[in-house]
Amino acid sequence: DGGITQSPKYLFRKEGQNVTLSCEQNLNHDAMYWYRQDPGQGLRLIYYSQIVNDFQKGDIAEGYSVSREKKESFPLTVTSAQKNPTAFYLCASLQGYNTEAFFGQGTRLTVV
Amino acid sequence: EDQVTQSPEALRLQEGESSSLNCSYTVSGLRGLFWYRQDPGKGPEFLFTLYSAGEEKEKERLKATLTKKESFLHITAPKPEDSATYLCAVHPGGYNKLIFGAGTRLAVHP
Repeated sequence: DGGITQSPKYLFRKEGQNVTLSCEQNLNHDAMYWYRQDPGQGLRLIYYSQIVNDFQKGDIAEGYSVSREKKESFPLTVTSAQKNPTAFYLCASLQGYNTEAFFGQGTRLTVV
Repeated sequence: EDQVTQSPEALRLQEGESSSLNCSYTVSGLRGLFWYRQDPGKGPEFLFTLYSAGEEKEKERLKATLTKKESFLHITAPKPEDSATYLCAVHPGGYNKLIFGAGTRLAVHP
């Protein structure tokens, strides 16, 4: 079955550490996205990529970095510069302008 | 600035009590409006896409409508299993990204 896989489901980060969240899709979609969701809030866009080797900052990119070396993969690194990283992170993909986005099941990141 | 506002923030209904959720938007050149359902700790699940004013879509107890400035998600005779957060998103013209509202948390009690 086609879909988006995020891993791990739960992740714990110590102060000053960088951590990387994985997102893989087998839908053959061109565009991929990372969103952050805080309790009781909507989704805020961190980064997005429309094609391989290209990506753009979203509304809250500070403290995060991404790469898009393969069409199927769009990993997100939460760096030590992100001061409040505890949140629920969602990866999504879509094919074109008028199509719906498909989401992974999310990664919950907690700072310990 | 492109913006999506959902109301109410939270809604509590008795089983069978119909109601509507609102999504108002301000975007330059709407390419599509999307409704999603999100259960706690899960990723959003796609419900509907609406493209033009006057369009309606239905699925079981849910019906989505669209005007030039807002969309409504009507829930008819809801059941407890309809309890979730409902998210509205728009796809503005000019660039390929989705902008989400904050969502409406719906609780349906027996």
